[in-house]
Parts: sequence; structure tokens; C-alpha cells
Amino acid sequence: GESVGLHLPTLSVQEGDNSIINCAYSNSASDYFIWYKQESGKGPQFIIDIRSNMDKRQGQRVTVLLNKTVKHLSLQIAATQPGDSAVYFCAENSGGSNYKLTFGKGTLLTVNP
Amino acid sequence: EAQVTQNPRYLITVTGKKLTVTCSQNMNHEYMSWYRQDPGLGLRQIYYSMNVEVTDKGDVPEGYKVSRKEKRNFPLILESPSPNQTSLYFCASSLMTGTNQPQHFGDGTRLSIL
Repeated sequence: GESVGLHLPTLSVQEGDNSIINCAYSNSASDYFIWYKQESGKGPQFIIDIRSNMDKRQGQRVTVLLNKTVKHLSLQIAATQPGDSAVYFCAENSGGSNYKLTFGKGTLLTVNP
Repeated sequence: EAQVTQNPRYLITVTGKKLTVTCSQNMNHEYMSWYRQDPGLGLRQIYYSMNVEVTDKGDVPEGYKVSRKEKRNFPLILESPSPNQTSLYFCASSLMTGTNQPQHFGDGTRLSIL
């Protein structure tokens, strides 16, 4: 069945280091992927997205990499800051017409000063 | 400010007492959706709507109803709440442009059903 999972449930990094959060998906029909950040007491906040016709997309301090061969998605955060501490979710759209997103379980990123 | 607004943010109630959680967006989005978030289960879709008067079931619709009479509002109705509906609920919305667009989320409603 469809699944979106994360390799690491928790990640702890030092301030200023780069962070990499990974995600595996199983539905080869998925054509759109999103990374969300969720801080305590708030809703998921959009970070960056990527469509299946791309393998890399960059934003401000963030980069998403998509490897369709192994069905793997990653989020790279450059120069991680304490404000980056949050739970990060990947989500996929399976290509259907209902715009449905399937979410991973989340990775808790902790940035140590 | 573009936003998705949910009310109430917190509610403690008892089994069987009907309740409604409101959701409103000011971005003129066609698509709206409700999710529940539970520890270890992540975000699961309850219902969604692709336009006014168009709603459909998500993955976990049992025990919930929705309506979409206006584009901006998408209330979630629990006719007879039960303890297993204790959860954190999120409303989300997005444009529908023919290609996928990110969904924007409200800040959540924490429901406790005793």
C-alpha cells in the first residue's frame, strides 16, 4: 500500500551545522512532494515543494532532493539555527485528482546552541 | 494577512454532545480539507472539498460530517462525539490550478471528548 515514512524519528544538530532529513515513499505514481515544518502549538507550515519532473529545488537555506529511482526525498537545511527546531513532515500527492496528501510520521529536529 | 482560521482552539466536552469546529480561509482557495493528528499516526485526512457544495471522504471519515455552503468556510461537525475522536484537528486549504499547490494549514483545534 501507499506509505510515506521517515528514516530518523529524531535528529539533533549543532547550531551552524547543516541538517539532512530523509523520507522514503512507496507510491511510484506520486508526482508532487512537500516538506512542512511544525512548531509546538502550531499547524504545519509550508517550506518547499518539488514536482516529479525535477530532482532538486532550492529555497532560502533549504534544498529538497528527489530520487525517483529509490523513491527517496530529503530536506537539507543549511546553517541550522535554533529557530529551525521543529517537527518536519514530508508529504506526497499520489497523482490522483483529489489533491490528497499522504503525510509521513515526522522527524523532530533539535538544534543545540 | 493570508490565513486559515479555526475555532475553537481548545475544547473539552462530553460524549454525545454535538459540536462544530469552524474553519475559514481568506485566500479564495477552492480546495479545503480536514485532518486529524494523533501520536504515532501522523496527519490523516478526514474530509475534503474541491469547491462549494462538493465534499468527499478522506481516509478516516467515520463519525464526522462537513459542509461547504460558501467558498471560505468548511466546518467540521461531530454529531455524537466519542472519546476516540479526542485528537488535534487541522483545517487546510489550497488553490486548484490544474497542477498541485501546497496546502496551507490553520493552527489546530485540540478536542478532548470525555
